[in-house]
Amino acid sequence: GENVEQHPSTLSVQEGDSAVIKCTYSDSASNYFPWYKQELGKGPQLIIDIRSNVGEKKDQRIAVTLNKTAKHFSLHITETQPEDSAVYFCAASSHKLSFGAGTTVTVRA
Amino acid sequence: SQTIHQWPATLVQPVGSPLSLECTVEGTSNPNLYWYRQAAGRGLQLLFYSVGIGQISSEVPQNLSASRPQDRQFILSSKKLLLSDSGFYLCAWGLANYGYTFGSGTRLTVV
Repeated sequence: GENVEQHPSTLSVQEGDSAVIKCTYSDSASNYFPWYKQELGKGPQLIIDIRSNVGEKKDQRIAVTLNKTAKHFSLHITETQPEDSAVYFCAASSHKLSFGAGTTVTVRA
Repeated sequence: SQTIHQWPATLVQPVGSPLSLECTVEGTSNPNLYWYRQAAGRGLQLLFYSVGIGQISSEVPQNLSASRPQDRQFILSSKKLLLSDSGFYLCAWGLANYGYTFGSGTRLTVV
C-alpha cells in the first residue's frame, strides 16, 4: 500500500516568515494530494489539494508543489500568522487516502 | 450542503465499560465512511471504513468494532474498554480522490 512520510515533525517559525512542510509517497499510481490543518481539539480540515496533472497550486498565502518524478510534494505557507499554528497533515491517494504523521507548526509572535 | 455530525464531544468511561460513538452524515447518499483514532500528539490511524450499509472493513485488529445500520450512520463500539482505547476519535466521509471531510471528534478518556 501507499506509504507517506512527512517532515519535519515540528516546526517553529517567527511570525511573518515562511514555513515549508515536505512529504514523500511510495505509490506512483497516487494522483491526489490533499493537505489538512488540525487545530487543537478539532477535526482536520482540508486547506488545499493538488492533482497529479498539476505541478503547483496557490491559494492566498498557501501553496502546494508536486514533483511526480521524485514522488514528493510540499506545502508552503508565506507571511505566517499566529492563527497558522496547528498540526498539518499531508495525504496521498491511489484508491485510499494515506496520511503522513503530521507536522506541528508553531508561529512565534 | 453536506455536513457530518459526531457525538459526544467528550467522554470519560471506566475500564471494562461499553462504548458507543455515533456519526451521521447529511446531504449525501451512500457515502464512504471512516473511523480514525488519534493518540495524543500522534497521527491519524484508520480503524474502520464502510462503502455501504452492513459493509465494514477493519484496518487494525483491536478491541473495537464498527457498524453501519443505515446509509448515513456509522457507529463505533466496544464491549469492554481498555486504558489503551483512550484517544481522539474522528469520523469522516468522502472519496479518496476528492478528500475526506472530518467530524469534530470525540475525546475519549478511559479511567
